[in-house]
Amino acid sequence: NAGVTQTPKFQVLKTGQSMTLQCAQDMNHNSMYWYRQDPGMGLRLIYYSASEGTTDKGEVPNGYNVSRLNKREFSLRLESAAPSQTSVYFCASSVHREGEQYFGPGTRLTVT
Amino acid sequence: GESVGLHLPTLSVQEGDNSIINCAYSNSASDYFIWYKQESGKGPQFIIDIRSNMDKRQGQRVTVLLNKTVKHLSLQIAATQPGDSAVYFCAENPPTNDYKLSFGAGTTVTVRA
Repeated sequence: NAGVTQTPKFQVLKTGQSMTLQCAQDMNHNSMYWYRQDPGMGLRLIYYSASEGTTDKGEVPNGYNVSRLNKREFSLRLESAAPSQTSVYFCASSVHREGEQYFGPGTRLTVT
Repeated sequence: GESVGLHLPTLSVQEGDNSIINCAYSNSASDYFIWYKQESGKGPQFIIDIRSNMDKRQGQRVTVLLNKTVKHLSLQIAATQPGDSAVYFCAENPPTNDYKLSFGAGTTVTVRA
């Protein structure tokens, strides 16, 4: 099992550009999450999907959109990137909404 | 070595000593807590969890203690090793937030040889 995979690992964008971060899990988990991590701060939830077909906003959803493509895949889209979105983005999954979350390796995004 | 208070971000520990990492959580109704370890350049990795109906839970070389009276969580690492150097996060699961974990800022643990 690969667990949770994320692509790309690194990305540099110019202000105003768009991109989609991809996430996939092979553990048959129901719930998936997108977090961002900034220096000196804990993980902050952007969006989550409690189950296939549902998505909900987290703590910091502004400037992002998500798609739960199927049970395995959960993508995060930045429509018009801003320097404030420079961060490390982590995708995670869990069997259910409650319980241990398994994290991917992260995507380091820089917006200039 | 021991970290005290919510906002002490670093802990330096001598190899072989025990480490104690502290965390204050915010929601008295939180019913589930997790400790994660994050090594440099990697995603967080689960260490141990505890439910609110327990005071203590032990794993391999780690123990989590929960004091609901003062909303305090601690992670004890026995015989700290160089591989324990990482950032450690506590997370709480407030039931009012629909099971979205709320993470603390983290404590950086450095093990001295």
